[in-house]
Amino acid sequence: DTAVSQTPKYLVTQMGNDKSIKCEQNLGHDTMYWYKQDSKKFLKIMFSYNNKELIINETVPNRFSPKSPDKAHLNLHINSLELGDSAVYFCASSQGRDSPLHFGNGTRLTVT
Amino acid sequence: AQSVSQHNHHVILSEAASLELGCNYSYGGTVNLFWYVQYPGQHLQLLLKYFSGDPLVKGIKGFEAEFIKSKFSFNLRKPSVQWSDTAEYFCASQDPGSARQLTFGSGTQLTVLP
Repeated sequence: DTAVSQTPKYLVTQMGNDKSIKCEQNLGHDTMYWYKQDSKKFLKIMFSYNNKELIINETVPNRFSPKSPDKAHLNLHINSLELGDSAVYFCASSQGRDSPLHFGNGTRLTVT
Repeated sequence: AQSVSQHNHHVILSEAASLELGCNYSYGGTVNLFWYVQYPGQHLQLLLKYFSGDPLVKGIKGFEAEFIKSKFSFNLRKPSVQWSDTAEYFCASQDPGSARQLTFGSGTQLTVLP
């Protein structure tokens, strides 16, 4: 009964490919996020959706496109992968105004 | 824009030593504050949170943090660390009036020697 689940856990692919990472939360939360953790462990917000509506879109290349089919899912599609996209991507969710984020287990993306 | 500073990049302690990790945030208004822990190869887990009220917050696993508004600080403490506390620790702030995303510090790697 994992609260925030991401698939796949590991993703190894070549430059130029297109890939997707899926995220699902069963907590009934209204807001979902994508964070990128770089090789120095720094975490940076990429996107946030509230009830399927995009509310945060940080300075991320437009090769990254989030999609939220419903408020329990937020998928991340990446086109034309580059070496610099290698990182760990974390999905998270929260509910309400004063609410901590609950994180998924992360997806380690390696672009070769 | 908010920012969070964690000045200790890597802390090494022996078991039973006391721990204090520094965290300073920049936002001048009402702010929510958090400490998360990331064990090797795992996701981030919430240690404790501060929204309002008592500035001394107790979390899981014997951790606590003190919110000092005048110093814009939210330092994490534990009186006696264990080897199992070896992990990366992240401080984060949240503007409750915003889109509610967290702004993270750069993290502090804690290594506890047995």
